Amino acid sequence: GIQVEQSPPDLILQEGANSTLRCNFSDSVNNLQWFHQNPWGQLINLFYIPSGTKQNGRLSATTVATERYSLLYISSSQTTDSGVYFCAVLAGNNRKLIWGLGTSLAVNP
Amino acid sequence: DGGITQSPKYLFRKEGQNVTLSCEQNLNHDAMYWYRQDPGQGLRLIYYSQIVNDFQKGDIAEGYSVSREKKESFPLTVTSAQKNPTAFYLCASSVEGVGGYTFGSGTRLTVV
Repeated sequence: GIQVEQSPPDLILQEGANSTLRCNFSDSVNNLQWFHQNPWGQLINLFYIPSGTKQNGRLSATTVATERYSLLYISSSQTTDSGVYFCAVLAGNNRKLIWGLGTSLAVNP
Repeated sequence: DGGITQSPKYLFRKEGQNVTLSCEQNLNHDAMYWYRQDPGQGLRLIYYSQIVNDFQKGDIAEGYSVSREKKESFPLTVTSAQKNPTAFYLCASSVEGVGGYTFGSGTRLTVV
């Protein structure tokens, strides 16, 4: 089945720094989503982005489907950005999202 | 506002008891899902339902049961057959096959 790999597994930033998180997938996908899980466990859908580029405030995401990767950019990071960022994909006729293991981000004041 | 409501937020169960976790959505989504998350781990799919009165097993369905009698509701029962039920349980919904998922705030189940 399709494999989803995220990097880096852990990231520590100083407030105000920028960062790029990566998601590689092993096959063509028809659905790719980025999520943020805050320290209290709430999962928030950040982007639905099977291809192209989207921006939402300080966050943006780019998926290059032909090269099988997606990038999540965080600019001017804030302490509230801390948590775990997950990438998840749907491929082919599969009805189930396949999840990466996440990138754990800590933003220090 | 539309969203997903999970209850209770915290739940304690004695060994040998069945417990039911509630998940209700008012997003008019067809598909609903139950995930389990263990500390420091990713999400694992327990059950999912694409339409009322139909559901399929996910990757770790043993020891769990679900029902989907209404579009808005997808309750999960953790049975006594589940050997290690202590975990964080997340419910989600989506428009079938497309678009993003919306998650509830989760239920933390602890076996005492």
